[in-house]
Amino acid sequence: AQSVAQPEDQVNVAEGNPLTVKCTYSVSGNPYLFWYVQYPNRGLQFLLKYITGDNLVKGSYGFEAEFNKSQTSFHLKKPSALVSDSALYFCAVRPRSGGSYIPTFGRGTSLIVHP
Amino acid sequence: ETGVTQTPRHLVMGMTNKKSLKCEQHLGHNAMYWYKQSAKKPLELMFVYNFKEQTENNSVPSRFSPECPNSSHLFLHLHTLQPEDSALYLCASSQESIERDRGWETQYFGPGTRLLVL
Repeated sequence: AQSVAQPEDQVNVAEGNPLTVKCTYSVSGNPYLFWYVQYPNRGLQFLLKYITGDNLVKGSYGFEAEFNKSQTSFHLKKPSALVSDSALYFCAVRPRSGGSYIPTFGRGTSLIVHP
Repeated sequence: ETGVTQTPRHLVMGMTNKKSLKCEQHLGHNAMYWYKQSAKKPLELMFVYNFKEQTENNSVPSRFSPECPNSSHLFLHLHTLQPEDSALYLCASSQESIERDRGWETQYFGPGTRLLVL
């Protein structure tokens, strides 16, 4: 069975500082990995995904994530945080083959960027 | 967020009521999903319809009944709910490949229906 762990319920960072939101996963075989963001009173919005190729994936709003197969991680990063980045972030994994193709989501990490 | 719409946005119902949530996607996708979002919990997949066929039902209580009349519309019929069913119910859609190598498709979510069961 596949699973996703987001070990931090909340991440606090000052505006202008780099941010990292952590995600580790467990899946049989190689994964497809996703990050979604949820702003208050909104649904989830797609940020970026890893399919294959370069381990560093660039996405919307200046976010990027690095796929690390040996550590089974897919941490979300941004070099300089903005107050408007404050939101709930979800990591998701789908197996590349075999098993259910349905994604499994983590429980979300609340990012708070302080002015 | 005009790609996937959900109505109503907010719903308060008693435990003996019957209500329905509606989702509509304007993206031409062939798969639609219902998720339940509760605070501090992972997103819970409830139902999946792929090409209008229900392909997943994650042990959801029978008081939740999905309906997918066509590939653009998805309903969640609610009856005799419990207070613990209060949550944000999210609808999503995606364009699923028919190829064996699938799973890379992005999901597009609606804004959700905030449900309160009294």
